Amino acid sequence: QVQLVESGGGVVQPGRSLRLSCAGSGFTFRSFGMHWVRQAPGKGLEWVAYMWHDESSKYYADSVKGRFTISRDNSKDTLYLQMNSLRAEDTATYYCARDVVSEAISPVAIDPWGQGTLVTVSS
Amino acid sequence: AIQMTQSPSSLSASVGDRVTITCRASQGIRDDLGWYQQKPGKAPKLLIFAASSLYSGVPSRFSGSGSGTDFTLTISSLQPEDFATYYCLQDSNYPRTFGQGTKVEIK
Repeated sequence: QVQLVESGGGVVQPGRSLRLSCAGSGFTFRSFGMHWVRQAPGKGLEWVAYMWHDESSKYYADSVKGRFTISRDNSKDTLYLQMNSLRAEDTATYYCARDVVSEAISPVAIDPWGQGTLVTVSS
Repeated sequence: AIQMTQSPSSLSASVGDRVTITCRASQGIRDDLGWYQQKPGKAPKLLIFAASSLYSGVPSRFSGSGSGTDFTLTISSLQPEDFATYYCLQDSNYPRTFGQGTKVEIK
């Protein structure tokens, strides 16, 4: 079955960096666009970043642009989120998620989602 | 960025009730909207895509409607497993934007 497993979360000091990973299985990873979505404790969902299946385009939320970088290694079926200059307001559970259809060239619905990894930015 | 305004932020309902949640986009987005359900401590799940299409495996008591700027998620007969938080997400362009969420609680 399709599975997405995030890792790399933890406690980090403000201003430091962290890299999240998301391992995909049960589907042809290189054929699907992939997202990062986050949720601060007790708050709603916030879309963070997206990368096309072929790595040709990336998009970011304004709140993370210039600090976060989405990337992928299709040979390893893995998605990454490099987070630099972390702030307290970046504290959240980070979910990776997949486009609902393969090789999408325009935005489509998102499913499935991983179980999330918690990032806490605190001194 | 397109703003998505969801209402109400919460509601109380009983098993068997008909429940309606609305989402308004700050500009027209055709039918490029999805609805998601999230239970506490769990990842969101897709319910409806393209405003009115039921996703695979989702019970038929869920339905979506609307186009342009105004959209609705309806649960025809609320079941115990439906108590959760629901979000809309615009699929029109990037950056993608969610509504603020609607928490459906037991009356």
